[in-house]
Amino acid sequence: LAKTTQPISMDSYEGQEVNITCSHNNIATNDYITWYQQFPSQGPRFIIQGYKTKVTNEVASLFIPADRKSSTLSLPRVSLSDTAVYYCLVGAGNTPLVFGKGTRLSVIA
Amino acid sequence: NAGVTQTPKFRVLKTGQSMTLLCAQDMNHEYMYWYRQDPGMGLRLIHYSVGEGTTAKGEVPDGYNVSRLKKQNFLLGLESAAPSQTSVYFCASSPADRVDGYTFGSGTRLTVV
Repeated sequence: LAKTTQPISMDSYEGQEVNITCSHNNIATNDYITWYQQFPSQGPRFIIQGYKTKVTNEVASLFIPADRKSSTLSLPRVSLSDTAVYYCLVGAGNTPLVFGKGTRLSVIA
Repeated sequence: NAGVTQTPKFRVLKTGQSMTLLCAQDMNHEYMYWYRQDPGMGLRLIHYSVGEGTTAKGEVPDGYNVSRLKKQNFLLGLESAAPSQTSVYFCASSPADRVDGYTFGSGTRLTVV
């Protein structure tokens, strides 16, 4: 299973754009890159998933360079409610996703 | 549409007792998973299932058993609870293609004393 590396924590002020980068040097050809968000006392929530280039939805954007060895989750204009732990995962098919410790994002007023 | 429902939400067990955690999903998902999360840690996979009647071990399966007799239900059993099994347990489900990722339940907080 491809291992991911992401910063343990990040701080941001409200209204700023936040970019969280994840490293996955051993990503396999069939692997997708998926990001989850987790609030305290809740289960993780799917944010976005991509294979290459750029993916955008109503919540975030995901940037994946051509070599796919890293990816960046971009959260536009964060608010206090975006304070959470963000997980980057890679995997494919019926292989279960393996969660690391994630990145704890703190948004400051 | 309830999504993934876990019961119970809270439970306190004495060491050596047994219990079963129930996970039910109403999205007709093929895959189901049980994770545990300890304070300040990420989620660790206990067992998973890729279809009715099938189960497989994850990262930390010791001390747990699972069954998937019906597609919509995935049961996690603790045969003889130990304090090390104090944790928050999350169940998740996903379609086979995982296009929209996993849907998680709200968790079961288990304390073993």
